[in-house]
Amino acid sequence: GNSVTQMEGPVTLSEEAFLTINCTYTATGYPSLFWYVQYPGEGLQLLLKATKADDKGSNKGFEATYRKETTSFHLEKGSVQVSDSAVYFCALSDPSFHQFYFGTGTSLTVIP
Amino acid sequence: DVKVTQSSRYLVKRTGEKVFLECVQDMDHENMFWYRQDPGLGLRLIYFSYDVKMKEKGDIPEGYSVSREKKERFSLILESASTNQTSMYLCASSPPGGPAKNIQYFGAGTRLSVL
Repeated sequence: GNSVTQMEGPVTLSEEAFLTINCTYTATGYPSLFWYVQYPGEGLQLLLKATKADDKGSNKGFEATYRKETTSFHLEKGSVQVSDSAVYFCALSDPSFHQFYFGTGTSLTVIP
Repeated sequence: DVKVTQSSRYLVKRTGEKVFLECVQDMDHENMFWYRQDPGLGLRLIYFSYDVKMKEKGDIPEGYSVSREKKERFSLILESASTNQTSMYLCASSPPGGPAKNIQYFGAGTRLSVL
């Protein structure tokens, strides 16, 4: 079956620190992979995506590379800001594109 | 911009009440979804619909039903609300098509408390 496992939080970093949030997946077929972000009091919004192996998704300084050999899609950012404080969700979509599978979310707090 | 609108941000209901959560999207998307979000459990799919009058059970459909009479509207119904249905409910929609288009767009959520 399909599933996503991401590192547990919460994560607390100082401003300008390097961020990694680990995500691994199990899937049948060839899924697309996503990172969504949820700011306080809001719904989820797409941060970045990758649709095939070795693709790199990037947005707002965040990056993640689709690694088929390790079934991973780790989120990274070189220098976090206070405004990056949010909950981050890793997700995959199955080949039929009807259904998404989300990880449990990782809460990030960035302190000045 | 795609807009997914959930009718209420906060709701307080009593045990046994019938509860309707409404979701409307303005981008003519075929696919619509209802999730609940709970701490430590992430998002769990309740129901989804890929066309008008079509519905499919997700991972946790028990105690819920849905209605999709028009393409833009997807309603979640709690037939008889219980305290364990206190949660954040998120609606999402997505267009048809291949990987380039397969993005889910979310509403702001409805925080439901059942007393």
